[in-house]
Amino acid sequence: RKEVEQDPGPFNVPEGATVAFNCTYSNSASQSFFWYRQDCRKEPKLLMSVYSSGNEDGRFTAQLNRASQYISLLIRDSKLSDSATYLCVVRASTASKLTFGTGTRLQVTL
Amino acid sequence: DAGVIQSPRHEVTEMGQEVTLRCKPISGHDYLFWYRQTMMRGLELLIYFNNNVPIDDSGMPEDRFSAKMPNASFSTLKIQPSEPRDSAVYFCASSLAGDTRSYEQYFGPGTRLTVT
Repeated sequence: RKEVEQDPGPFNVPEGATVAFNCTYSNSASQSFFWYRQDCRKEPKLLMSVYSSGNEDGRFTAQLNRASQYISLLIRDSKLSDSATYLCVVRASTASKLTFGTGTRLQVTL
Repeated sequence: DAGVIQSPRHEVTEMGQEVTLRCKPISGHDYLFWYRQTMMRGLELLIYFNNNVPIDDSGMPEDRFSAKMPNASFSTLKIQPSEPRDSAVYFCASSLAGDTRSYEQYFGPGTRLTVT
């Protein structure tokens, strides 16, 4: 089983739609959780951290469910510029290294 | 501020040749990571350094791969001999140990390696 699993997509949504991505992780001792964004042929960049209480950053909302080992990302009012691959990322408790999911591709269309 | 710098950006080589990828981390960062990304396997951690010392190289695929960090501002990833299955995008990333809130890693633009 992969440490971090995501639906690869692609998710094709019209502009203005709400879209949600899910991610599961296998290591129950994982401490920190993140979403990174990667544009086509570019490097990954941190989108947001994910906190136990859930957190929001503009149109983006991230949720963590430790009991189910599940992380989600909700994007409201999708923009064309949101088209990218979204990587779910997990940090184990005793390391500085991050484990990346293979990503979920989002395509927002007119 | 300059971000993470990688060179070359593209490399095309023939099977059996030696390939050296280079990375300059962000000044002041004390962690450096080497990743490989392919469509099939996604982003895989190969090795990472803390204060120039290799901490975990369990992701290095085999003895053909080696990495060094002779000083805080430079690291290399070497493949010798290269094989077609090594074709991938290789990213270098750096982070700051004190940034415990986000553990954010800053990635370089990557080196796209093609081995024919």
